[in-house]
Amino acid sequence: DTGVSQNPRHKITKRGQNVTFRCDPISEHNRLYWYRQTLGQGPEFLTYFQNEAQLEKSRLLSDRFSAERPKGSFSTLEIQRTEQGDSAMYLCASSSDRVGTYEQYFGPGTRLTVT
Amino acid sequence: AQSVTQPDIHITVSEGASLELRCNYSYGATPYLFWYVQSPGQGLQLLLKYFSGDTLVQGIKGFEAEFKRSQSSFNLRKPSVHWSDAAEYFCAVTTSGTYKYIFGTGTRLKVLA
Repeated sequence: DTGVSQNPRHKITKRGQNVTFRCDPISEHNRLYWYRQTLGQGPEFLTYFQNEAQLEKSRLLSDRFSAERPKGSFSTLEIQRTEQGDSAMYLCASSSDRVGTYEQYFGPGTRLTVT
Repeated sequence: AQSVTQPDIHITVSEGASLELRCNYSYGATPYLFWYVQSPGQGLQLLLKYFSGDTLVQGIKGFEAEFKRSQSSFNLRKPSVHWSDAAEYFCAVTTSGTYKYIFGTGTRLKVLA
């Protein structure tokens, strides 16, 4: 168990550019989640996958955001036409789908700065 | 609406003193409750969880939490704080049928030597 990994750890981009983040979950975990955390706030849910199916999306996830999880393994989160308000820490988490399991394990996050 | 409230934004304690961090939730269904810790620049580490059963749960690093349904609370406690406990602490809730967490805004703990 190597934990959840995220790349890159930091990304600085100019307003209007597209960015893509990657998350590799714990290998036996079928569920994968994306959250966004801004300064002084708790993480806010963005979206969640069960295997390759995206089952829930927050209304925070505007049409500039898209997430994929091809083949139910790693996931990518893309932000198109970035805005300064997108500056945040983007956290990925994974969990098992065993009955009665609800705890999520988080990666170190990708810190996005939009200039 | 579902929500989690952590009333204390900042708490400062002396090393060796006891600690209690408050968490109140508002949730229509049976809640599953968690405490996470986040050190600067790091992701979230699970301290403990409550699903059902004994309302006093033990976690890692000497932390414990007590679920009180009548007060809609899940407060985190530690009898003797260490300087390495300085971090930000988040309470989170979810329920059966959904897997997304709702987090509180966090409590930043400062430990004085």
